[in-house]
Amino acid sequence: QKEVEQNSGPLSVPEGAIASLNCTYSDRGSQSFFWYRQYSGKSPELIMFIYSNGDKEDGRFTAQLNKASQYVSLLIRDSQPSDSATYLCAASGFQKLVFGTGTRLLVSP
Amino acid sequence: DVKVTQSSRYLVKRTGEKVFLECVQDMDHENMFWYRQDPGLGLRLIYFSYDVKMKEKGDIPEGYSVSREKKERFSLILESASTNQTSMYLCASTVRAIGTEAFFGQGTRLTVV
Repeated sequence: QKEVEQNSGPLSVPEGAIASLNCTYSDRGSQSFFWYRQYSGKSPELIMFIYSNGDKEDGRFTAQLNKASQYVSLLIRDSQPSDSATYLCAASGFQKLVFGTGTRLLVSP
Repeated sequence: DVKVTQSSRYLVKRTGEKVFLECVQDMDHENMFWYRQDPGLGLRLIYFSYDVKMKEKGDIPEGYSVSREKKERFSLILESASTNQTSMYLCASTVRAIGTEAFFGQGTRLTVV
């Protein structure tokens, strides 16, 4: 079992819709969870991190964490074509940082 | 600005060669990581280091070794390069604390022929 699992997609949504990206993790020792966005040929860039159960909002993005279910999600409201990218979920303790395989998001105009 | 710099953007090596990939960060981060990224497989952790001279195996350490003689520098070594090591290699660094961002280098596209 992979430590961090994501659906590879692609997830296709129309412009203006809400995109919902999901991730599960297996290591209950994980303490922090991250969402990175990666455009083709570029390095990942951080969108959000979360380490407490519940929701965390930043602009159009909302991260949700449920430690009991070992589940992390990212909601993107008012999706834009520029949001089309691969979204990587990651989990970490104090040292190790492990990524999922990523979900490709396609936002059509 | 935090900077993580990888020594090469593109590299072509022959099968059997010993290959060194260098990564330098300028923010005094304790943790450094080497990943490889392949289509459909995401970022797979090769090795990481949480202190000078300390190293831990990640998920796919076979065929690789690492060196961390100074805090700012983390080297990935391919002892005898093989064609299945053709990949994008990404270095990252973080502070040793909860909820801290990983900063990535620009990546090295390695082709082994």
